[in-house]
Amino acid sequence: AQSVTQPDIHITVSEGASLELRCNYSYGATPYLFWYVQSPGQGLQLLLKYFSGDTLVQGIKGFEAEFKRSQSSFNLRKPSVHWSDAAEYFCAVSNFGNEKLTFGTGTRLTIIP
Amino acid sequence: GAVVSQHPSWVICKSGTSVKIECRSLDFQATTMFWYRQFPKQSLMLMATSNEGSKATYEQGVEKDKFLINHASLTLSTLTVTSAHPEDSSFYICSARRTSPGELFFGEGSRLTVL
Repeated sequence: AQSVTQPDIHITVSEGASLELRCNYSYGATPYLFWYVQSPGQGLQLLLKYFSGDTLVQGIKGFEAEFKRSQSSFNLRKPSVHWSDAAEYFCAVSNFGNEKLTFGTGTRLTIIP
Repeated sequence: GAVVSQHPSWVICKSGTSVKIECRSLDFQATTMFWYRQFPKQSLMLMATSNEGSKATYEQGVEKDKFLINHASLTLSTLTVTSAHPEDSSFYICSARRTSPGELFFGEGSRLTVL
């Protein structure tokens, strides 16, 4: 069965600093990988996704993620965070593209001035 | 972008009553919708896949008689929590799959509190 691990439960970053959120997956075939952001009490918004092709994926709000097959990772990065980036971030994997997703446990991002 | 709307956003009910949550795709047709449940500070767990015009497919461990799903049209799926108990209190989120171009869109979620 596929699974997703987000090792960091909570990360605190200073505004303007760089950010990297870790995501490791377990899946036998080529996975479809996603990053979503959830603000408190809200639904999920897609930041970016990887299906195939270029392993460095650009998303919305200045985020990017790199698929590394050898490390089974899909880490999310942003060069300079803004206070509005404070939220919960979920990595997800699917074996059917835009179908059933398996989510990681999430990483809560706090931004300090 | 495409919009998926859930109603109600939050609901409080008494133990033993039933609660219906609606999930609508506002500007596209969705033959498939998904229902997730999220406990506080935890991830989303897939409950079931809702298919228009057919029975929902439930994930292992999800009681189909307790969580009734109806996908009567291409833009609406409903989740009914029957005989709700306090342990059913949770954040329920739906997603709808747009076929062309293919993408999954999530609703804003519905918070259920059972007293």
